[in-house]
Amino acid sequence: KAGVTQTPRYLIKTRGQQVTLSCSPISGHRSVSWYQQTPGQGLQFLFEYFSETQRNKGNFPGRFSGRQFSNSRSEMNVSTLELGDSALYLCASSVGQINSGANVLTFGAGSRLTVL
Amino acid sequence: EDQVTQSPEALRLQEGESSSLNCSYTVSGLRGLFWYRQDPGKGPEFLFTLYSAGEEKEKERLKATLTKKESFLHITAPKPEDSATYLCAAPKDKVIFGPGTSLSVIP
Repeated sequence: KAGVTQTPRYLIKTRGQQVTLSCSPISGHRSVSWYQQTPGQGLQFLFEYFSETQRNKGNFPGRFSGRQFSNSRSEMNVSTLELGDSALYLCASSVGQINSGANVLTFGAGSRLTVL
Repeated sequence: EDQVTQSPEALRLQEGESSSLNCSYTVSGLRGLFWYRQDPGKGPEFLFTLYSAGEEKEKERLKATLTKKESFLHITAPKPEDSATYLCAAPKDKVIFGPGTSLSVIP
């Protein structure tokens, strides 16, 4: 059974650029959620998509956005990159929505973004 | 404000030295308490879900327990391969993760 696939695994950008990260969930999983992980802040929730609709959003500026396609694949975009956006970006998929409490998250290996 | 905290921040154990990791939560309407393990360079991997106070779950050398305010992850006779960061999390509209405990098991 294929796991959650994130691409690219590593990328380097400069301030002011934008970046798009991709996440392919486990087959049959309809929820995709995104997280930012940094040494100082830990794992922070960015947003969740379920059935192509954003269901919830964390406390991040509007520069962070995402979308989900009909096949449940998801992308997140960060525009006007800042040095502080350097982080490991993780996506996770689950069968149902996060707020049900019953859905285990399966994480990808992450995309490590470095902003210079 | 809903919050999940973990202690200690880091723990260093000799192989075979049992210990416990703590996860304290103040989350209204708790819908479950999750434990994940994260190895360097990888995403977190699911370990356990606990739903009600008094519940316990075991997997190999790990046992997770839940009270009304805390969850504990007990590690019995750990091995070096148990070295990882252990995260607890509470789902609501979003998932609230604790900061994690970095465990090192020394041979």
